[in-house]
This record gives sequence, C-alpha cells and structure tokens, in this order.
Amino acid sequence: DTAVSQTPKYLVTQMGNDKSIKCEQNLGHDTMYWYKQDSKKFLKIMFSYNNKELIINETVPNRFSPKSPDKAHLNLHINSLELGDSAVYFCASSQDLTGSGEQFFGPGTRLTVL
Amino acid sequence: SQQGEEDPQALSIQEGENATMNCSYKTSINNLQWYRQNSGRGLVHLILIRSNEREKHSGRLRVTLDTSKKSSSLLITASRAADTASYFCATDRDNFNKFYFGSGTKLNVKP
Repeated sequence: DTAVSQTPKYLVTQMGNDKSIKCEQNLGHDTMYWYKQDSKKFLKIMFSYNNKELIINETVPNRFSPKSPDKAHLNLHINSLELGDSAVYFCASSQDLTGSGEQFFGPGTRLTVL
Repeated sequence: SQQGEEDPQALSIQEGENATMNCSYKTSINNLQWYRQNSGRGLVHLILIRSNEREKHSGRLRVTLDTSKKSSSLLITASRAADTASYFCATDRDNFNKFYFGSGTKLNVKP
C-alpha cells in the first residue's frame, strides 16, 4: 500500500522533448509538493499545492507546469527539456500547510536528458 | 540561498558507535525536521523539533536545537549497518509550508 507513488521511476529523453511525471497520494493529505534533487543531493522545493490550489512557486522556469486535477494527484509537465533538467524529482505530501507535520515522499523519478 | 547546511558531508563509523550530524541555518525558524534517505529512495521523516524545544528523543535518535546558534544536531546511538543512509535537516522559514533542505550528511556504518 504505497502512500505516495510516482511514475515513471526512470525517464530518459532527448533535449527539446516534453515529458510528464505523475504523482498520487492515498493518505488523504491536503498538500502536495514537487522537489528537485540535483547531483550533489541538494533538495530544493519547486511547487506546492493545497487542495488543488498553487501555494508555492519557487523561481522555476515556466517550462515546468504542475497540474493538480484533484487533491490526491499532482503531476509535473516539463516542456522543451534541457540538459540541466537532469535530476531526481520527488513528490511529497503533508496533512496541511503548517510546518509542524511531516512530509511523506514518493520514491522519486530519475530524469536523464541526453 | 539554501537554508539548512549539514555537517559533515560524509561520516564513516563502525557498527555500535554513535554518529553525530549537525545542521546550521541562517534565519529564524518555527520548526526543524530531520529526514533519512536510503540510496535510490525517497526521504523518510525521523523527528521534528519546534523552535521552543531544546531536545527531543525518539528511540536511538536524539535531536538538539540551539536557536541562539541557529544549529541542530542529530545523534544516532549504537549505530547499525541499516542506519547507512543520507540524513537531511529541513527548516521552515518565512511561512510554514515552505521547507528548506540542505545536501545532507552521508553516513556509512560499517558492520
């Protein structure tokens, strides 16, 4: 019973392509996040949604567009992929907006742009 | 700029020894959390400490927080090979729902 799942686990694609990563949580949480982890393991928040509403948009290029069809899903679409987009992308969820709750992370999607 | 900075970047110890990792941050916080990441996996929450708390325990984990020094430490006692992982601190800043992570401390526990 996976709490936060992501698909695909691995994604290898050419520069310039458009790709999507899907995320689903079955925890009944209101808030979902996307993080990017670079090759030095530095983890940086990209977006957060609360009840399908965008709350955080950290200076991420507008080639990245999150979409939340319902509060259990938060997908990430990336247009015109660049070499620098290669990283591991993590989806996470938490019960609410406050910082007092733990975040539950998905297994990650390793994106390689050639 | 990133908020949490873990130190050391890497730590190698023998099973049974204690492991101490530190986290420093730059601005005032409401909460600080520690997470573990096994190789190739997502992060798993370990413990949360609030800004008005100084110490917290959970099993073999002990976390301290010194807000005057803007630092926290994570102590793992009697380490096991299964503790081998990267450990991250996460701080909230500005508003509650934005967390800042560092690049972690990579712990290797040799059997």
